[in-house]
Amino acid sequence: NAGVTQTPKFQVLKTGQSMTLQCAQDMNHNSMYWYRQDPGMGLRLIYYSASEGTTDKGEVPNGYNVSRLNKREFSLRLESAAPSQTSVYFCASSSLAPVDTQYFGPGTRLTVL
Amino acid sequence: KQEVTQIPAALSVPEGENLVLNCSFTDSAIYNLQWFRQDPGKGLTSLLLIQSSQREQTSGRLNASLDKSSGRSTLYIAASQPGDSATYLCAVRQGGSEKLVFGKGTKLTVNP
Repeated sequence: NAGVTQTPKFQVLKTGQSMTLQCAQDMNHNSMYWYRQDPGMGLRLIYYSASEGTTDKGEVPNGYNVSRLNKREFSLRLESAAPSQTSVYFCASSSLAPVDTQYFGPGTRLTVL
Repeated sequence: KQEVTQIPAALSVPEGENLVLNCSFTDSAIYNLQWFRQDPGKGLTSLLLIQSSQREQTSGRLNASLDKSSGRSTLYIAASQPGDSATYLCAVRQGGSEKLVFGKGTKLTVNP
């Protein structure tokens, strides 16, 4: 039982490049989330998915797209990376019931030059 | 819009001390409140979750309380240890929403 896994752990991009961050969970959770964490800003929700086939915007969705590929996987895509997207990205999942504790992955540290 | 505040931003204590971390929120219509721990370079680990109908939750040396009407929660750590050094974040879930709103955290250092 690996919990929530994220790949890659580190990535450096040039401005304008694209990339996809991968996330998978093996806890059979319905809900999955993408956050970014920046110094002084705390954790902010980018997108979330309440169930397979559904996605909704969070607080800071601009510049990102997501895909809920199946119940296990939820990917985050940067189509044209910008320096403002330099951050640490966390994926999380939750069952909502009976108790909706969120379980977090180890994070992806992304630098955009 | 819900806002979550954690004060202080950083706290340094000697080993063995009992301590309290504070979390306040502006909208009392919450569904639950969670306390997380984050070690440097790592993801978040859930410590305690308090439902809106509950007053407190305990796990080992940790006790979290919730006063919904005043918009406050506290995390009490008894007999602190150097291994407790980490950043502690609280997050609230609004009723009718799946989203969590996080505070910016309190960085705790327990000195041997």
